[in-house]
Amino acid sequence: GAVVSQHPSRVICKSGTSVKIECRSLDFQATTMFWYRQFPKQSLMLMATSNEGSKATYEQGVEKDKFLINHASLTLSTLTVTSAHPEDSSFYICSARSQETQYFGPGTRLLVL
Amino acid sequence: DAKTTQPPSMDCAEGRAANLPCNHSTISGNEYVYWYRQIHSQGPQYIIHGLKNNETNEMASLIITEDRKSSTLILPHATLRDTAVYYCIVSPFSNSGYALNFGKGTSLLVTP
Repeated sequence: GAVVSQHPSRVICKSGTSVKIECRSLDFQATTMFWYRQFPKQSLMLMATSNEGSKATYEQGVEKDKFLINHASLTLSTLTVTSAHPEDSSFYICSARSQETQYFGPGTRLLVL
Repeated sequence: DAKTTQPPSMDCAEGRAANLPCNHSTISGNEYVYWYRQIHSQGPQYIIHGLKNNETNEMASLIITEDRKSSTLILPHATLRDTAVYYCIVSPFSNSGYALNFGKGTSLLVTP
């Protein structure tokens, strides 16, 4: 199957700093990528849909000014958590669709102290 | 998107077949049935998907009822590494990309 990578795999940062997470489709091009968030013992929640060359579409309740998404190329989308706070600590997962199937990255564990 | 109903948890002995059920009684004609699994602290892994016909790949088999209102994922010879949360998701296929909406899934425990 197609491969999606994420970097970094885990990050620890101080409250108030910004963190950038990269999502890459390694062997296919993706005009659309998705960003999810998962809190402990909960299911994945869709945060936003990232569209190459245009603005992202955010789910209700997700602050677009806090979670900046850039999809500058057909193989790269980035999620920047701005002014991170402890409540932003979570597991962030991206995905991209190849043909009929959506493939997921390995996830990024963010801990904000 | 149509909703799915799965049992919250199941057990299976190692080496036996694991049969994971899913109800999707409101599925639409253009919606596929997808199965993913998530091993602890990893991203979801694609397993299999289908529209109407039964499907089989190297990981599993997918049995979809004729009325498409339910399906069963079959892991023919479960191993300890199959312990994971399994998600059944129905979603239309579109070139522009529909996000997959995850429910709570079934937590499968494979025991020695």
